[in-house]
Amino acid sequence: EAGVAQSPRYKIIEKRQSVAFWCNPISGHATLYWYQQILGQGPKLLIQFQNNGVVDDSQLPKDRFSAERLKGVDSTLKIQPAKLEDSAVYLCASSFRAFQETQYFGPGTRLLVL
Amino acid sequence: GQQLNQSPQSMFIQEGEDVSMNCTSSSIFNTWLWYKQEPGEGPVLLIALYKAGELTSNGRLTAQFGITRKDSFLNISASIPSDVGIYFCAGQREYGNKLVFGAGTILRVKS
Repeated sequence: EAGVAQSPRYKIIEKRQSVAFWCNPISGHATLYWYQQILGQGPKLLIQFQNNGVVDDSQLPKDRFSAERLKGVDSTLKIQPAKLEDSAVYLCASSFRAFQETQYFGPGTRLLVL
Repeated sequence: GQQLNQSPQSMFIQEGEDVSMNCTSSSIFNTWLWYKQEPGEGPVLLIALYKAGELTSNGRLTAQFGITRKDSFLNISASIPSDVGIYFCAGQREYGNKLVFGAGTILRVKS
């Protein structure tokens, strides 16, 4: 069974530029999560989708971050404009059911904002 | 900010030694999870705990759900070089709540 796929793996941009990350969850998983992991910290949930609807986006900085999952499968997370403090690893995870604690993580996208 | 306190922050041990780490919170959690993250990869679930006092093993790993429901412990017996990585605890307050992660314990093993 293929795992969670993410691209790109690495991205370097300058502040005030925009960037987008892509995630393809495990086939059949209805729930998709985006996490931000700052160096030296654990992952922090940014947004959770159930199919193509948003379940929780309480920690998403909505003035600059946006995410969509239009067809209930792939998802895109965008940052516009990026700030220095957005430098982090952005992890995508998926689970079979909603609110399930067994989440499968992708390898992450490492973002460096200069 | 982080709501789970993990300790120690890092450990550098000799191959073959046993390892203990813990995670504490000021709040009650109804589910405790332990993940391992290797360089360049996402976290991988090791053990999930659902009941206070529960003790669960996965090979050389054993985790316990504290009876106060405010802490959890992970032990690794007879460490080997491939145990190297960052170990995260995570908690879920109620079914349906998001996972809250600790800051991680960095484990290095000297062979």
